[in-house]
Amino acid sequence: DGGITQSPKYLFRKEGQNVTLSCEQNLNHDAMYWYRQDPGQGLRLIYYSQIVNDFQKGDIAEGYSVSREKKESFPLTVTSAQKNPTAFYLCASSGRPRGSNEKLFFGSGTQLSVL
Amino acid sequence: QQQVKQSPQSLIVQKGGISIINCAYENTAFDYFPWYQQFPGKGPALLIAIRPDVSEKKEGRFTISFNKSAKQFSLHIMDSQPGDSATYFCAASFSGNTPLVFGKGTRLSVIA
Repeated sequence: DGGITQSPKYLFRKEGQNVTLSCEQNLNHDAMYWYRQDPGQGLRLIYYSQIVNDFQKGDIAEGYSVSREKKESFPLTVTSAQKNPTAFYLCASSGRPRGSNEKLFFGSGTQLSVL
Repeated sequence: QQQVKQSPQSLIVQKGGISIINCAYENTAFDYFPWYQQFPGKGPALLIAIRPDVSEKKEGRFTISFNKSAKQFSLHIMDSQPGDSATYFCAASFSGNTPLVFGKGTRLSVIA
C-alpha cells in the first residue's frame, strides 16, 4: 500500500530530552511537511522540504529541527528548547511542490506528551 | 496574522440537515482553496477543492461556494449524516513554492 507512515503513534518526552518523530513515504513525492495540531488552533506549519537536502522553516520552527537526507524520509526532532511540545504532530507529502497546488497526503499522526 | 479565518468553531446539525462552514481569506493572490476532513486520531484527507475561476463546485453531497469579491468560500454538506461527524479545515495557497495555510477547523457533529 502506498502512503505515509508516522511512528510512533504515541511518544512521551521527559524534561530536557530531545525526541525524534519518524515520517516515511513510499509515494515518490518530492515535497514533505510537518504540521503541529493543537485543539482549536488548526494546523500550523513547522518545517517543509521540497527536495532532498533542502528544507525551509514554517511558522513555528523554533525548538524543532529536521533533516531530509532521503526522498522517502523526513524526521522531526523536538528539542529541549521547545517548552510546550505536547501536541498532535502530522507529517504530509505532495507530489509537485513548485508552481502547483498538489493534494496533500497526511500520515496518521504522532501524539507527543510531556512526562 | 491569520490568513484564513474559519467559522464556526463547532457545529451541531440534525441528521438530514445542511451543514455550512465558512472561511474568509485576506491574500488576494490565493488561487487554490481546498477543504480537508479529519476523523479523530487520523490525519486530514482532501475532501474537495476549488479555484477562483468558478463560483461553485459540487461533489456528491459536498459543495464549495466561492465569492471572489468578498474573499470568502464555504463548504455545504447536504443531507448531513452521522458519518460526516469530523473536523473540517479550509485552506488556501497560491502558485509557487508556498505551502497551504489552514483555518483553525470546525468540529461538526451530526446527531440522529
